[in-house]
Amino acid sequence: AQKVTQAQTEISVVEKEDVTLDCVYETRDTTYYLFWYKQPPSGELVFLIRRNSFDEQNEISGRYSWNFQKSTSSFNFTITASQVVDSAVYFCALSVGGGSGYALNFGKGTSLLVTP
Amino acid sequence: DADVTQTPRNRITKTGKRIMLECSQTKGHDRMYWYRQDPGLGLRLIYYSFDVKDINKGEISDGYSVSRQAQAKFSLSLESAIPNQTALYFCATSEGQYQETQYFGPGTRLLVL
Repeated sequence: AQKVTQAQTEISVVEKEDVTLDCVYETRDTTYYLFWYKQPPSGELVFLIRRNSFDEQNEISGRYSWNFQKSTSSFNFTITASQVVDSAVYFCALSVGGGSGYALNFGKGTSLLVTP
Repeated sequence: DADVTQTPRNRITKTGKRIMLECSQTKGHDRMYWYRQDPGLGLRLIYYSFDVKDINKGEISDGYSVSRQAQAKFSLSLESAIPNQTALYFCATSEGQYQETQYFGPGTRLLVL
């Protein structure tokens, strides 16, 4: 069975602080993909990143960075110098093989509030 | 125009009523999905389809049915709505190669009274 755990339900930071959102996953599959999505207050789901299980290189995109560690089954997301516009719910998700339709198994999300 | 559209965006209905939620996409993707989001629970898969002739149940398909009318259209029906089906419903699409990125529609907020 596949499972994604986002232990942090809510995080509150002051603008310009760095913040890390944790994601721990469970799967027996050797080939899998991990994703992060952002859901702003308007409700839509915005794709942020996709990473396969064979690529453990860290990824940086502007103020966003991702740290993938297979040894700890984690795929953590860091926002550097947070801004009010970063306030949203962030979801980590896992996708495995075709038997499950390549569906996304979502964590319960972390609600991030960035205050001025 | 948006690549993945959902109609209606908001709907209020009564217990026992039949309701259909529609999803259309212009991305040319083969795979389409329906998810449901409940507060504090993340998103859960209801149904998915790899093409017009291939429809599969997801984790929480009871009480729902779907129809893939064309490559670009995937509808979700609640045959007899009940209050615990009140939720935010998302349609998503992806290309047909492995674990591709799924792109989501704007969602439909459904309230069943």
